Amino acid sequence: DQQVKQNSPSLSVQEGRISILNCDYTNSMFDYFLWYKKYPAEGPTFLISISSIKDKNEDGRFTVFLNKSAKHLSLHIVPSQPGDSAVYFCAATPYGSGNTGKLIFGQGTTLQVKP
Amino acid sequence: GAGVSQSPRYKVAKRGQDVALRCDPISGHVSLFWYQQALGQGPEFLTYFQNEAQLDKSGLPSDRFFAERPEGSVSTLKIQRTQQEDSAVYLCASSSVDTYEQYFGPGTRLTVT
Repeated sequence: DQQVKQNSPSLSVQEGRISILNCDYTNSMFDYFLWYKKYPAEGPTFLISISSIKDKNEDGRFTVFLNKSAKHLSLHIVPSQPGDSAVYFCAATPYGSGNTGKLIFGQGTTLQVKP
Repeated sequence: GAGVSQSPRYKVAKRGQDVALRCDPISGHVSLFWYQQALGQGPEFLTYFQNEAQLDKSGLPSDRFFAERPEGSVSTLKIQRTQQEDSAVYLCASSSVDTYEQYFGPGTRLTVT
């Protein structure tokens, strides 16, 4: 059972425009969400995160929005640059006294930013 | 180095061989995680260490998989009697105790022939 879903395997965007990557989750115990970016032959790189007590977090060109009632989060990249072309993973971790902090990942979305 | 390192980067094993994958976490990071990433999928949790204690091994797919971190720093993931379905990228990540952000190594790509 996939608890974190990224339903779009790929996305293509023109340079300078907005990229919107979406993620849905099913487990209401998740309380912290992260986005990672991955280039080929490299490990995932942390990009931005959001706690469930917030609905928005911004860091430069990257903004993550969280809609808890819909169990949905999105990553906005504005403006998109060719160097943003990579695979983006959404991840979540549940709260609780026994929480180890392990991350549950989506399947990833491949973003291509065209010059 | 400042980041998480893993070795070897690539490993080819014949079915039935044992393999050992090494992870050097960021210095001072208490938490260490192993993940398995199959082609076209997201990473899947295998096991978690807090210092030298293995607190969660719920993701290990079988008893052929074994992980250790005897001195609370370097960790080794061992796979015995490798099978073709073990072919994947094995990722190690570390984090400090007060954050959820994990920092990943480049991974070891294991191919079992």
